[in-house]
Amino acid sequence: TQLLEQSPQFLSIQEGENLTVYCNSSSVFSSLQWYRQEPGEGPVLLVTVVTGGEVKKLKRLTFQFGDARKDSSLHITAAQPGDTGLYLCAGHAGNNRKLIWGLGTSLAVNP
Amino acid sequence: NAGVTQTPKFRILKIGQSMTLQCTQDMNHNSMYWYRQDPGMGLRLIYYSASEGTTDKGEVPNGYNVSRSTTEDFPLRLELAAPSQTSVYFCASSYRAGENSPLHFGNGTRLTVT
Repeated sequence: TQLLEQSPQFLSIQEGENLTVYCNSSSVFSSLQWYRQEPGEGPVLLVTVVTGGEVKKLKRLTFQFGDARKDSSLHITAAQPGDTGLYLCAGHAGNNRKLIWGLGTSLAVNP
Repeated sequence: NAGVTQTPKFRILKIGQSMTLQCTQDMNHNSMYWYRQDPGMGLRLIYYSASEGTTDKGEVPNGYNVSRSTTEDFPLRLELAAPSQTSVYFCASSYRAGENSPLHFGNGTRLTVT
């Protein structure tokens, strides 16, 4: 059972465009993490959100955790080719210590 | 800062051969993990170790073995390689298992079994 659904699966945009990717679940998560994975490398943590309704910004990236802690979004403003990569969300549902992973959104930003 | 180091980066095995994927971390993290990443399947946990001396099975442990005799090292052993084990393997570590302890990943080992 895939508890974290990420959409879209693939996204190809031009440099300078804005975009939003989503991480949704029917389960309540105590926290959600977003990672970016570049080709040939391991995932790297971008941010952790822990409070319902929380918004965190990382330069041109804005992360939001849903009020009910069942979903999260990542918005990128004025995308750059360096934003290209696989964006993964992962989280702990309830008291489960094991990390649950989404399948990721593969983003390509074309110059 | 080396972080999490995996060796080798690439390996081709014949069916039935064995090998050990090495993983070492220099962050004094308590917990370590092995994942495999396959197209359409995402990251799947093979084994993890909450602390030195302990190991537990993840989602897909069959065909693999691990040990955690030191804090720094968490090798993954494939005893009888099968084509189904063709994958990219990632080792990761965290300060502790559970929430609010993000994972630090190595850069992976790409394994092909033919």
